[in-house]
Amino acid sequence: NAGVTQTPKFRILKIGQSMTLQCTQDMNHNYMYWYRQDPGMGLKLIYYSVGAGITDKGEVPNGYNVSRSTTEDFPLRLELAAPSQTSVYFCASSLGDPGAFFGQGTRLTVV
Amino acid sequence: GDSVTQMEGPVTLSEEAFLTINCTYTATGYPSLFWYVQYPGEGLQLLLKATKADDKGSNKGFEATYRKETTSFHLEKGSVQVSDSAVYFCAPFGNEKLTFGTGTRLTIIP
Repeated sequence: NAGVTQTPKFRILKIGQSMTLQCTQDMNHNYMYWYRQDPGMGLKLIYYSVGAGITDKGEVPNGYNVSRSTTEDFPLRLELAAPSQTSVYFCASSLGDPGAFFGQGTRLTVV
Repeated sequence: GDSVTQMEGPVTLSEEAFLTINCTYTATGYPSLFWYVQYPGEGLQLLLKATKADDKGSNKGFEATYRKETTSFHLEKGSVQVSDSAVYFCAPFGNEKLTFGTGTRLTIIP
């Protein structure tokens, strides 16, 4: 049982480049989330999804896009990378009250 | 939206000391409450939870009680170990979202 899998683990982007952070879960969870964690800070919600075909903005959605075409996958897209997007990104999934499972994170640096 | 206020860190304690990390929240309705732990270089792991008023969540010697009247969910442990060194996050689950506090970094010295 793999849980929540994020790829890549590390990435360096140049300003203006685009990339997709992948997230897959094999637990048939309906809820999925993308958070970013800046150094020494808590987690801020970027986007979330309550099921396939449904997504909604979180606290800090600007500069990002998501899609949820299947229950398993919830990719996060950065279209024009900016230095302010340097962060560690965590994907999570849950059934709600039982609590969320987190991936290992993607460390992104924009230079 | 929901918000969380956590005890500011870092917190440094000696091994076998008593630990309290304060957490208060604001939320609409009655959210489920969680504590997550993040070890260095890793993602977050669920530590414990409580889903209704006066419930006590517990795991690995840690405890927290859902106090609706004070909107608090303080984390406690009677005797900490070096292996408890990590960052701890309080998080209410409401309106289909988990909201995190800033986290409290805990360091235990032998």
